[in-house]
Amino acid sequence: QSALTQPASLSGSPGQAISISCTGTSSDVGSYNYVSWYQQHPGKAPKLMIYDVSNRPSGISNRFSASKSGNTASLTISGLQAEDEADYYCSSFSSSTTRVVFGGGTKLTVL
Amino acid sequence: QVQLQESGPGLVKPAETLSLTCTVSGGSISSSSYYWGWIRQPPGKGLEWIGSISYSGTTYYNPSLKSRVTISADTSKNQVSLKLTSVTAADTAVYYCARHPGVYAMNFDSWGQGALVTVSS
Repeated sequence: QSALTQPASLSGSPGQAISISCTGTSSDVGSYNYVSWYQQHPGKAPKLMIYDVSNRPSGISNRFSASKSGNTASLTISGLQAEDEADYYCSSFSSSTTRVVFGGGTKLTVL
Repeated sequence: QVQLQESGPGLVKPAETLSLTCTVSGGSISSSSYYWGWIRQPPGKGLEWIGSISYSGTTYYNPSLKSRVTISADTSKNQVSLKLTSVTAADTAVYYCARHPGVYAMNFDSWGQGALVTVSS
């Protein structure tokens, strides 16, 4: 069981917007602005899409945005494209001894 | 642009030690700007942080693996190494090395391509 809870799967049609939630606790998501989101295509390494809750690294499309409220962080992908079909993972710094925790991942299907 | 490349045996016997090396190019592991971590992903499953080492050599480990893990750095070769002892089938995974900017800012912004390690006799 992962420390952060994500929906196992989501789907959307091209052009739509979808949001992926990531629920933690007051020991991680709720207390620190160190939430990250990763995109992983099959057979590839994860790619950082969002860091520090809502910041995009250079080169990441502005179709990807994120936010946090309480113990839940969210990643929103607008204008869905076929290339967005992938697994998405959230992570957060944790004050527990684990230091960094990941979500179980969300498989996004673009219909 | 920094590049990371994992290398090591793809097959390890149960009870033996898994050893992997991450060679970093395009940047120095001694740079005070970054930490270097190992993350693993069992087949079909999610990500698990194993541990990290700072530019000064301070190590941080996942408590669930701490008794079996050693992460070290060779600045002369610009490499970071992972050793995991007493492996079992549960340690079968793709092992990634990745960079992160701080001891709290554990956002992994550059990754190696990953190395699949299978534990089997």
